[in-house]
Amino acid sequence: GNSVTQMEGPVTLSEEAFLTINCTYTATGYPSLFWYVQYPGEGLQLLLKATKADDKGSNKGFEATYRKETTSFHLEKGSVQVSDSAVYFCALNTGFQKLVFGTGTRLLVSP
Amino acid sequence: EAQVTQNPRYLITVTGKKLTVTCSQNMNHEYMSWYRQDPGLGLRQIYYSMNVEVTDKGDVPEGYKVSRKEKRNFPLILESPSPNQTSLYFCASRKDNYNEQFFGPGTRLTVL
Repeated sequence: GNSVTQMEGPVTLSEEAFLTINCTYTATGYPSLFWYVQYPGEGLQLLLKATKADDKGSNKGFEATYRKETTSFHLEKGSVQVSDSAVYFCALNTGFQKLVFGTGTRLLVSP
Repeated sequence: EAQVTQNPRYLITVTGKKLTVTCSQNMNHEYMSWYRQDPGLGLRQIYYSMNVEVTDKGDVPEGYKVSRKEKRNFPLILESPSPNQTSLYFCASRKDNYNEQFFGPGTRLTVL
């Protein structure tokens, strides 16, 4: 079946550090891949997406590249800010009626 | 403003007392879903709807009901809540099967 595996958190970084959150997937067909972010007390918001192999999604300084050969969609940011503290969810959509989510990775950025 | 709204945002209730969580979207989206979020489990889909009067079960539908009488509304009904339904619930909508989902702000439900 379809599944998403994310690295366990929390990830604790100092401001301006480099961020990587790993995400790998198992899917039939050709999924679209997403990163969603959940700030404290809020719902999920789409951060970025990629719809086919080798696509790079980017937004707010975050990037992720759809790697079909390694079935990965790792999230990166070159210099994190305190305001990036949130829970990040990797998700895939194979065109059926739901997104399949990872378990989420909490990011804590300290000044 | 394009949005998904849910009410109530917080609810504490007792076992067996029927409740409804409302969900409404103003984007004319065809697809709507309900998810629950639990620590260590991520988000799991409860029910989804592809259009008015068309609903189907997700991964964890037991103990829940939904209805889709109008395109904009998709209420979640717990006929006889139990403590294992204590969770954070999200409603979501999207235009079609391949576009992003828009999420509501969440409803934190506690069943005593």
